Amino acid sequence: GAGVSQSPSNKVTEKGKDVELRCDPISGHTALYWYRQSLGQGLEFLIYFQGNSAPDKSGLPSDRFSAERTGGSVSTLTIQRTQQEDSAVYLCASSGSGRAWNTGELFFGEGSRLTVL
Amino acid sequence: QKEVEQNSGPLSVPEGAIASLNCTYSDRGSQSFFWYRQYSGKSPELIMSIYSNGDKEDGRFTAQLNKASQYVSLLIRDSQPSDSATYLCAVRGFGNEKLTFGTGTRLTIIP
Repeated sequence: GAGVSQSPSNKVTEKGKDVELRCDPISGHTALYWYRQSLGQGLEFLIYFQGNSAPDKSGLPSDRFSAERTGGSVSTLTIQRTQQEDSAVYLCASSGSGRAWNTGELFFGEGSRLTVL
Repeated sequence: QKEVEQNSGPLSVPEGAIASLNCTYSDRGSQSFFWYRQYSGKSPELIMSIYSNGDKEDGRFTAQLNKASQYVSLLIRDSQPSDSATYLCAVRGFGNEKLTFGTGTRLTIIP
């Protein structure tokens, strides 16, 4: 499809396991964001990629969290040694360059719901 | 102090009335301001953006910005049940490319 695609849509894991969440942005979009949303809460910024620039990792909550973006397209968010407080919906968003980026319009995927038991 | 603050609500408004949603931000250098709507179980979608002091109208929606007071608001006229959602305020700072979101205000329109 033409939208932001995330997988898996749901992930249940045991405490201490590693998980990988994938995001496939809209084709041609240079900016990619990861946010986390806990139940009933707002969006917590995690990390931002823009083109070939160094990513803004200022929102990653601990060194258990990392993300990469290969070839300026697909991104993977990895959470090592998961904890129960990591349970949330992880949202990926992308936006275009130039005027589209300046509008602040982020196009969100449907999210990956992570449950850590 | 949170970077972007909103009253979490819930805010209940009768159908046909005006819904008023408010947001304050801490970074005086912020340049761009946005309102996103998020239906339950869905992802956020952009409904309004505003960059200059004053009002900006789009259909039933009006965004208001006051940079001196570091305050941005969203008015929804002739509220409809389909407007029931969580409204997220988002702010982008000068030279800072990330969008910082508030916790959102849950709005319920009562038929």
